[in-house]
Amino acid sequence: DGGITQSPKYLFRKEGQNVTLSCEQNLNHDAMYWYRQDPGQGLRLIYYSQIVNDFQKGDIAEGYSVSREKKESFPLTVTSAQKNPTAFYLCASSGPKDRVGVFGQPQHFGDGTRLSIL
Amino acid sequence: GNSVTQMEGPVTLSEEAFLTINCTYTATGYPSLFWYVQYPGEGLQLLLKATKADDKGSNKGFEATYRKETTSFHLEKGSVQVSDSAVYFCALIQTGANNLFFGTGTRLTVIP
Repeated sequence: DGGITQSPKYLFRKEGQNVTLSCEQNLNHDAMYWYRQDPGQGLRLIYYSQIVNDFQKGDIAEGYSVSREKKESFPLTVTSAQKNPTAFYLCASSGPKDRVGVFGQPQHFGDGTRLSIL
Repeated sequence: GNSVTQMEGPVTLSEEAFLTINCTYTATGYPSLFWYVQYPGEGLQLLLKATKADDKGSNKGFEATYRKETTSFHLEKGSVQVSDSAVYFCALIQTGANNLFFGTGTRLTVIP
């Protein structure tokens, strides 16, 4: 079945360490997204990519980096510059415009990666 | 700018009770509106959507009507079940845009 796979499900980071979260989709979607979810808050957009080799900053990109070398993959690196990385990270993807011409929806989500600081 | 305001939770209901989760939005133009559901330990799943005024989205017994005059998209279900316990997110996207704007989520707990 088609879907989005995030790995690992749980991840621990030491101070000063970079970590990379994996996101793979086999939906043949052009656009992919990374969100951060904190307790009691909605999702906030970190980065998104509309096409291979292109990506844009979202609302909270500082301390994060991404790459989009392949259509099916959009890894997120949480760098040591991100001072408060503990959160639940969600990856999403979306296909082309639907029949009413709205790009980028609906978004399909992975099951998330929970990142904690040791 | 764009924003979504959801009724604060948590909401606790008995099985078979009627559910309403309020959602209002601020946006320019004519956004599309969504409800997503997040079950414990999982990602978000699209529950329903509406792309223009007066559209009604429905799925799994849930309904929401796009009300442009009141800028609202309230989620309703006539008879909730224990399996409906989850966090519900209202969201919008502007036509032609890429970003979903989410509300803060409303946690629903249904007790037997």
